[in-house]
Amino acid sequence: DAGVTQSPTHLIKTRGQQVTLRCSPKSGHDTVSWYQQALGQGPQFIFQYYEEEERQRGNFPDRFSGHQFPNYSSELNVNALLLGDSALYLCASSLGRGVSGGARYNEQFFGPGTRLTVL
Amino acid sequence: AQTVTQSQPEMSVQEAETVTLSCTYDTSENNYYLFWYKQPPSRQMILVIRQEAYKQQNATENRFSVNFQKAAKSFSLKISDSQLGDTAMYFCAFMNPYSMEYGNKLVFGAGTILRVKS
Repeated sequence: DAGVTQSPTHLIKTRGQQVTLRCSPKSGHDTVSWYQQALGQGPQFIFQYYEEEERQRGNFPDRFSGHQFPNYSSELNVNALLLGDSALYLCASSLGRGVSGGARYNEQFFGPGTRLTVL
Repeated sequence: AQTVTQSQPEMSVQEAETVTLSCTYDTSENNYYLFWYKQPPSRQMILVIRQEAYKQQNATENRFSVNFQKAAKSFSLKISDSQLGDTAMYFCAFMNPYSMEYGNKLVFGAGTILRVKS
Protein backbone atom coordinates (compact mmCIF):
# COMPACT_ATOMS: atom_id res chain seq x y z
CA ASP A 1 0.00 0.00 0.00
CA ALA A 2 1.73 3.13 -1.23
CA GLY A 3 1.76 6.08 1.09
CA VAL A 4 1.56 9.71 0.10
CA THR A 5 3.98 10.59 -2.69
CA GLN A 6 5.18 14.00 -3.82
CA SER A 7 7.17 15.23 -6.77
CA PRO A 8 9.65 16.65 -7.32
CA THR A 9 11.84 16.17 -4.25
CA HIS A 10 13.76 19.38 -4.76
CA LEU A 11 13.19 22.39 -6.95
CA ILE A 12 15.15 25.58 -7.57
CA LYS A 13 13.44 28.56 -9.17
CA THR A 14 14.12 32.26 -9.57
CA ARG A 15 11.98 35.15 -8.42
CA GLY A 16 8.95 35.78 -10.60
CA GLN A 17 8.76 32.27 -11.97
CA GLN A 18 5.90 29.85 -11.54
CA VAL A 19 6.05 26.38 -10.00
CA THR A 20 3.80 23.31 -9.86
CA LEU A 21 4.12 20.69 -7.14
CA ARG A 22 2.36 17.33 -7.29
CA CYS A 23 0.90 14.97 -4.73
CA SER A 24 -0.66 11.51 -4.87
CA PRO A 25 -2.67 10.59 -1.78
CA LYS A 26 -2.54 7.38 0.19
CA SER A 27 -4.68 4.65 -1.32
CA GLY A 28 -8.31 5.07 -0.25
CA HIS A 29 -7.97 8.71 0.77
CA ASP A 30 -10.09 11.37 -0.91
CA THR A 31 -8.90 14.58 0.76
CA VAL A 32 -5.63 16.39 0.16
CA SER A 33 -4.22 19.23 2.26
CA TRP A 34 -1.17 21.35 1.51
CA TYR A 35 1.13 22.92 4.09
CA GLN A 36 4.12 25.27 3.87
CA GLN A 37 6.93 24.68 6.35
CA ALA A 38 9.58 27.37 6.60
CA LEU A 39 12.96 26.31 7.97
CA GLY A 40 12.80 25.65 11.71
CA GLN A 41 9.08 26.31 11.96
CA GLY A 42 5.86 24.35 12.13
CA PRO A 43 3.81 23.70 8.98
CA GLN A 44 1.26 26.33 7.99
CA PHE A 45 -2.00 25.29 6.30
CA ILE A 46 -2.38 26.51 2.71
CA PHE A 47 -5.58 24.83 1.52
CA GLN A 48 -7.51 21.58 1.38
CA TYR A 49 -9.20 19.84 -1.54
CA TYR A 50 -12.13 17.44 -1.40
CA GLU A 51 -14.23 16.20 -4.32
CA GLU A 52 -12.12 18.33 -6.68
CA GLU A 53 -13.03 21.56 -4.88
CA GLU A 54 -11.16 23.79 -2.47
CA ARG A 55 -12.89 23.17 0.83
CA GLN A 56 -10.77 25.34 3.10
CA ARG A 57 -8.06 27.93 2.68
CA GLY A 58 -5.45 29.32 5.02
CA ASN A 59 -4.01 32.81 5.07
CA PHE A 60 -2.10 32.64 1.79
CA PRO A 61 -2.33 35.01 -1.18
CA ASP A 62 -4.04 34.18 -4.45
CA ARG A 63 -0.63 33.44 -5.96
CA PHE A 64 -1.12 30.05 -4.33
CA SER A 65 -3.66 27.94 -6.16
CA GLY A 66 -4.43 24.28 -6.44
CA HIS A 67 -6.33 21.58 -8.17
CA GLN A 68 -7.58 18.11 -7.40
CA PHE A 69 -8.11 15.52 -10.09
CA PRO A 70 -10.77 12.78 -10.29
CA ASN A 71 -8.21 10.24 -9.05
CA TYR A 72 -7.78 12.45 -5.92
CA SER A 73 -4.22 13.49 -6.80
CA SER A 74 -3.52 17.17 -6.39
CA GLU A 75 -1.32 20.01 -7.60
CA LEU A 76 -0.13 23.13 -5.86
CA ASN A 77 0.72 26.08 -8.10
CA VAL A 78 2.60 29.15 -7.00
CA ASN A 79 2.86 32.14 -9.34
CA ALA A 80 5.22 35.13 -9.23
CA LEU A 81 7.58 33.42 -6.82
CA LEU A 82 9.10 35.48 -4.02
CA LEU A 83 12.21 34.74 -1.97
CA GLY A 84 9.92 34.16 1.00
CA ASP A 85 8.24 31.26 -0.77
CA SER A 86 11.36 29.16 -0.16
CA ALA A 87 10.17 26.36 2.09
CA LEU A 88 9.32 22.68 2.40
CA TYR A 89 5.88 22.05 0.92
CA LEU A 90 4.06 19.15 2.51
CA CYS A 91 1.08 17.32 1.14
CA ALA A 92 -1.17 15.34 3.47
CA SER A 93 -4.02 13.02 2.66
CA SER A 94 -6.94 11.89 4.79
CA LEU A 95 -10.37 10.36 4.61
CA GLY A 96 -12.03 13.70 5.26
CA ARG A 97 -14.91 12.19 7.18
CA GLY A 98 -15.28 15.20 9.42
CA VAL A 99 -17.02 14.80 12.71
CA SER A 100 -18.32 11.34 11.94
CA GLY A 101 -14.92 9.76 11.90
CA GLY A 102 -13.16 10.48 15.17
CA ALA A 103 -9.49 11.33 15.35
CA ARG A 104 -8.41 8.04 13.75
CA TYR A 105 -10.41 8.73 10.58
CA ASN A 106 -9.42 12.38 10.42
CA GLU A 107 -5.70 11.95 10.89
CA GLN A 108 -3.57 13.20 8.06
CA PHE A 109 -0.78 11.19 6.46
CA PHE A 110 2.08 13.25 5.11
CA GLY A 111 4.28 12.89 2.07
CA PRO A 112 8.05 13.43 2.14
CA GLY A 113 7.68 17.01 0.93
CA THR A 114 9.11 19.13 -1.86
CA ARG A 115 11.93 21.47 -0.96
CA LEU A 116 11.48 24.69 -2.97
CA THR A 117 14.33 27.17 -3.16
CA VAL A 118 13.69 30.56 -4.73
CA LEU A 119 16.79 32.51 -5.78
CA ALA B 1 -8.42 31.58 16.51
CA GLN B 2 -6.88 28.33 17.63
CA THR B 3 -3.20 28.50 18.55
CA VAL B 4 -0.71 25.88 19.67
CA THR B 5 2.33 26.71 21.79
CA GLN B 6 5.39 24.55 22.35
CA SER B 7 7.56 26.37 24.85
CA GLN B 8 10.63 24.12 24.63
CA PRO B 9 12.62 24.82 21.45
CA GLU B 10 15.13 22.05 22.24
CA MET B 11 15.37 19.10 24.62
CA SER B 12 18.01 16.45 25.25
CA VAL B 13 17.69 13.06 26.91
CA GLN B 14 19.98 10.13 27.55
CA GLU B 15 19.20 6.87 25.82
CA ALA B 16 16.79 4.68 27.86
CA GLU B 17 15.58 7.61 29.95
CA THR B 18 12.20 9.33 29.93
CA VAL B 19 11.45 12.77 28.54
CA THR B 20 8.33 14.92 28.45
CA LEU B 21 7.57 17.48 25.75
CA SER B 22 5.10 20.26 26.56
CA CYS B 23 2.24 21.65 24.49
CA THR B 24 -0.51 24.09 25.31
CA TYR B 25 -3.29 25.28 23.05
CA ASP B 26 -5.99 27.88 22.99
CA THR B 27 -9.53 27.21 21.87
CA SER B 28 -13.06 28.05 22.91
CA GLU B 29 -14.36 24.77 21.52
CA ASN B 30 -15.27 21.75 23.63
CA ASN B 31 -14.69 18.99 21.10
CA TYR B 32 -11.52 18.68 19.05
CA TYR B 33 -8.60 16.39 18.32
CA LEU B 34 -4.96 16.67 19.31
CA PHE B 35 -1.97 15.01 17.69
CA TRP B 36 1.75 14.64 18.13
CA TYR B 37 3.80 14.30 14.95
CA LYS B 38 7.47 13.40 14.64
CA GLN B 39 9.66 14.80 11.86
CA PRO B 40 13.13 13.21 11.67
CA PRO B 41 15.92 14.70 9.56
CA SER B 42 14.52 12.75 6.60
CA ARG B 43 11.62 15.29 6.69
CA GLN B 44 8.84 12.68 6.65
CA MET B 45 6.14 13.77 9.10
CA ILE B 46 4.98 10.73 11.06
CA LEU B 47 2.00 10.53 13.42
CA VAL B 48 3.03 9.50 16.92
CA ILE B 49 -0.21 9.63 18.87
CA ARG B 50 -3.75 11.06 18.75
CA GLN B 51 -6.30 12.12 21.36
CA GLU B 52 -9.97 13.05 21.18
CA ALA B 53 -10.93 15.82 23.59
CA TYR B 54 -14.10 14.00 24.67
CA LYS B 55 -12.09 11.05 25.94
CA GLN B 56 -10.85 11.37 29.50
CA GLN B 57 -8.42 8.48 29.18
CA ASN B 58 -4.94 9.48 28.07
CA ALA B 59 -3.80 7.90 24.81
CA THR B 60 -0.83 5.53 24.76
CA GLU B 61 1.12 3.99 21.89
CA ASN B 62 3.88 1.67 23.07
CA ARG B 63 6.62 3.92 24.55
CA PHE B 64 4.63 7.08 23.84
CA SER B 65 1.89 8.43 26.08
CA VAL B 66 0.18 11.75 26.61
CA ASN B 67 -0.97 13.73 29.63
CA PHE B 68 -4.13 15.46 28.44
CA GLN B 69 -5.39 18.14 30.81
CA LYS B 70 -8.47 19.60 29.10
CA ALA B 71 -9.21 22.31 31.64
CA ALA B 72 -5.62 23.52 31.50
CA LYS B 73 -5.54 23.11 27.70
CA SER B 74 -2.36 21.11 28.01
CA PHE B 75 -1.27 18.11 25.94
CA SER B 76 2.20 16.85 26.84
CA LEU B 77 4.00 13.89 25.27
CA LYS B 78 6.00 11.44 27.36
CA ILE B 79 8.56 9.23 25.69
CA SER B 80 9.74 6.32 27.82
CA ASP B 81 12.92 4.30 27.26
CA SER B 82 14.19 6.86 24.74
CA GLN B 83 15.98 5.46 21.71
CA LEU B 84 18.45 7.06 19.31
CA GLY B 85 15.82 6.79 16.59
CA ASP B 86 13.56 9.11 18.57
CA THR B 87 15.84 12.02 17.65
CA ALA B 88 13.60 14.33 15.64
CA MET B 89 11.52 17.50 15.66
CA TYR B 90 8.22 16.91 17.46
CA PHE B 91 5.13 18.91 16.61
CA CYS B 92 1.94 19.24 18.58
CA ALA B 93 -1.11 19.82 16.38
CA PHE B 94 -4.77 20.75 16.88
CA MET B 95 -7.77 19.92 14.72
CA ASN B 96 -11.38 21.00 15.11
CA PRO B 97 -13.51 19.13 12.56
CA TYR B 98 -16.66 20.43 14.25
CA SER B 99 -16.03 23.99 13.12
CA MET B 100 -17.21 25.34 9.78
CA GLU B 101 -14.43 27.90 9.97
CA TYR B 102 -11.55 25.61 10.88
CA GLY B 103 -12.72 22.27 9.53
CA ASN B 104 -10.21 19.48 9.71
CA LYS B 105 -7.07 21.41 8.97
CA LEU B 106 -4.16 20.96 11.35
CA VAL B 107 -2.82 23.87 13.37
CA PHE B 108 0.77 23.17 14.40
CA GLY B 109 3.01 24.45 17.13
CA ALA B 110 6.54 25.66 16.38
CA GLY B 111 8.03 22.31 17.34
CA THR B 112 10.55 20.93 19.83
CA ILE B 113 13.86 19.46 18.71
CA LEU B 114 14.56 16.31 20.71
CA ARG B 115 18.08 14.89 20.79
CA VAL B 116 18.62 11.45 22.26
CA LYS B 117 22.22 10.93 23.38
CA SER B 118 24.04 7.62 23.73
